[in-house]
Amino acid sequence: NAGVTQTPKFRVLKTGQSMTLLCAQDMNHEYMYWYRQDPGMGLRLIHYSVGEGTTAKGEVPDGYNVSRLKKQNFLLGLESAAPSQTSVYFCASSQSLFAGELFFGEGSRLTVL
Amino acid sequence: SQKIEQNSEALNIQEGKTATLTCNYTNYSPAYLQWYRQDPGRGPVFLLLIRENEKEKRKERLKVTFDTTLKQSLFHITASQPADSATYLCALSSAGSARQLTFGSGTQLTVLP
Repeated sequence: NAGVTQTPKFRVLKTGQSMTLLCAQDMNHEYMYWYRQDPGMGLRLIHYSVGEGTTAKGEVPDGYNVSRLKKQNFLLGLESAAPSQTSVYFCASSQSLFAGELFFGEGSRLTVL
Repeated sequence: SQKIEQNSEALNIQEGKTATLTCNYTNYSPAYLQWYRQDPGRGPVFLLLIRENEKEKRKERLKVTFDTTLKQSLFHITASQPADSATYLCALSSAGSARQLTFGSGTQLTVLP
């Protein structure tokens, strides 16, 4: 049982480049989330999804887009990367919205030069 | 504005002692409070959830208290072991349609042998 899997685990981008982070969960969870983690800032919610085909903005959505075309996958896109988006990105999923245990992936470390 | 503060950034204790971590919040009416453990380079792992109408929750050597009057949660690890060394995150979510799970920046615990 893999749980939540994120790809890639590491990526280096140049300013202005685009990329997509993929999150896959095999627990049949309805709810999925993307957080970013920066030193001293804690985890901050970027976007989340309450089901296939639906997404919503979190605390820090600017510069990111997401899609949930299949229930098990949640994609995070950066259309034009900026150095301020250098961070560690975590995907998570849960059975209830913000009210129960979140299962996290191992993280994707992104560096924007 | 809403704020979550976890006591110190780092806490060192001797093996066998009880570790106590603090999570204070302002401008929240949390319905749920959660604690997670995060090891270096890994995603957070859920430990305990406590609801606003619960005063205390226990799981093996872990105990969480939740005082909505003081706006504080205490997280205790009894008989601490070096393997308990990690960063511990508290997270709050409120009830209602505007809820999100918001994380504190964490406390790094080191248990010295």
